Amino acid sequence: EIVLAQSPKTLSLSPGERATLSCRASQSVSGNYLAWYQQKPGQTPRLLIYGASSRATGIPDRFSGSGSGTDFTLTISRLEPEDFAVYYCQQYGSSLRTWTFGQGSKVEIK
Amino acid sequence: EVQLVQSGAEVKKPGESLKISCTGSGYSFATYWIAWVRQMPGKGLEYMGIIYPGDSDTKYTPSFEGQVTISADKSISTAYLQWSSLKASDTAMYYCARQLGSTALDIWGQGAMVAVSS
Repeated sequence: EIVLAQSPKTLSLSPGERATLSCRASQSVSGNYLAWYQQKPGQTPRLLIYGASSRATGIPDRFSGSGSGTDFTLTISRLEPEDFAVYYCQQYGSSLRTWTFGQGSKVEIK
Repeated sequence: EVQLVQSGAEVKKPGESLKISCTGSGYSFATYWIAWVRQMPGKGLEYMGIIYPGDSDTKYTPSFEGQVTISADKSISTAYLQWSSLKASDTAMYYCARQLGSTALDIWGQGAMVAVSS
């Protein structure tokens, strides 16, 4: 099973600042099948990025994903008030039996 | 509109059985995998398993194999997650989500809260 380690656990920033979240895999993610999701309190997760760097439909371009192999990054170029949330990475390149999520990173208002 | 609509919240006692549902609309339900994801109170997302409604091919992640059963009825565009004997530790929000190829889990149901308590 591929273990995903997200860092930092919590990021305290102000609106307008840049957020950089990391997701490190215990082994290489096949096909760079790495996704990022946003979840706000009481809401359903929302797909932001798939295939490491492709934005999902309707996602603003301030969200970008990068990386390959074992190291991946989600960047929010300028934080808007609605971006304060928990972010999860997920790998889906392994067998359908062994997909995994990271433990989440919270972006909170400083 | 493409959507997944899940059944409502459930309150059950330990040892009881339960089957929750996830109904798709606005797309070809049979041709997308449907995954189930658990979120325990205050915790992160956990992938449970996945089914292809077209032929009911089902995969379980090791942690959940033998603990739940995933099924689907493509004729009514519905996937199911069921338990034969609930435990208090099954208390969680359960989400279904669709997946196709490289696009990850792009559409999610609204979630179904399951509370198990004596």
